[in-house]
Amino acid sequence: GNSVTQMEGPVTLSEEAFLTINCTYTATGYPSLFWYVQYPGEGLQLLLKATKADDKGSNKGFEATYRKETTSFHLEKGSVQVSDSAVYFCALTRTSNTGKLIFGQGTTLQVKP
Amino acid sequence: GAGVSQSPSNKVTEKGKDVELRCDPISGHTALYWYRQSLGQGLEFLIYFQGNSAPDKSGLPSDRFSAERTGGSVSTLTIQRTQQEDSAVYLCASSLGREQVYGYTFGSGTRLTVV
Repeated sequence: GNSVTQMEGPVTLSEEAFLTINCTYTATGYPSLFWYVQYPGEGLQLLLKATKADDKGSNKGFEATYRKETTSFHLEKGSVQVSDSAVYFCALTRTSNTGKLIFGQGTTLQVKP
Repeated sequence: GAGVSQSPSNKVTEKGKDVELRCDPISGHTALYWYRQSLGQGLEFLIYFQGNSAPDKSGLPSDRFSAERTGGSVSTLTIQRTQQEDSAVYLCASSLGREQVYGYTFGSGTRLTVV
């Protein structure tokens, strides 16, 4: 079946540090891949997405590249800020299904000043 | 409205009671999804509505869970005879269509605590 695996958190970094949150997936066919972010007390928000192999999604300084050969979609940011502290979810959806998202467990990021 | 609205934001109920959770999607969004977010479990798909089509109920964990969507707009998720393992945040999302094309908008969720 389809599934998403994320690195376990929490991840604690100092401000301006480099961030990587690993995400790998298992899916038949050609999924679309997403990163969602949940800031404290708020709903989930789409951060970025990629719909085909080798696509790079980017937003707010975050990037992730759809790697079909390694079935990965790792999230990176060159210099994190305290305001990036949140829970990050990797997700996939299949074009042939209803469009429902399959989420990873979530990774909590805490950035300290 | 401007966003997806869920009510109540918090609900504490006694084990064995029934609860109803409400979702008001963005006006004009034909797709509506319910997810459950449990501590340490990530987000679990529950049910999907698309226009007038039969809903995809494949994620409902037991027959105690049901959902309806009236007039293609407001949706209600009902949990009968609540159990402690039902404690979670229940999230609703709406979309113009498939996520990979249009994207979802999530509500802030209803935190359900069964005591």
